[in-house]
Amino acid sequence: GESVGLHLPTLSVQEGDNSIINCAYSNSASDYFIWYKQESGKGPQFIIDIRSNMDKRQGQRVTVLLNKTVKHLSLQIAATQPGDSAVYFCAEREIQGAQKLVFGQGTRLTINP
Amino acid sequence: EPEVTQTPSHQVTQMGQEVILRCVPISNHLYFYWYRQILGQKVEFLVSFYNNEISEKSEIFDDQFSVERPDGSNFTLKIRSTKLEDSAMYFCASTGRDTQYFGPGTRLTVL
Repeated sequence: GESVGLHLPTLSVQEGDNSIINCAYSNSASDYFIWYKQESGKGPQFIIDIRSNMDKRQGQRVTVLLNKTVKHLSLQIAATQPGDSAVYFCAEREIQGAQKLVFGQGTRLTINP
Repeated sequence: EPEVTQTPSHQVTQMGQEVILRCVPISNHLYFYWYRQILGQKVEFLVSFYNNEISEKSEIFDDQFSVERPDGSNFTLKIRSTKLEDSAMYFCASTGRDTQYFGPGTRLTVL
């Protein structure tokens, strides 16, 4: 069945360093991918998205890379700040259906001062 | 900036009782969703709603669950007879096209 999973449950980086969070997906029919940030007690907050016809998309301090050959998605955060500490989820959407998102397990990112 | 709002932020109920979780999606959005997140776990899809009807639902969304858009702004999730395992964060989301924007969630505690 479809699944979206993350390679590492936790990641610690020094403030100012770059971080990379990885995600593997299994549904080749997925056409759209999103990264969400979730802080404690809050709802998922949209960070960046990418369609399956792209392999890279950049935002402010964040870049998402999509490798459809190996079904891999990554989120790069540049110059990490204490406010980046959160759980990060990748999510995928199938081409068919009512646009439901399938979420991965999440990676907890901790920024050390 | 428009946002999805949810009420209440925390709901405590006794097992077997009915609860209604409320959401106000972003005003010009057309697709509405409910997800849940059990503590420490990933976010799980429950149901999607479009054009005043359910367009997709998961296995979790059994006969105890129902959704309704009673007016032009609210979107509700009703759990008819709550069970202990219904304890979770419930998130409402809406989308106009692609990006789903999530509300802050309602923490449901079933005792």
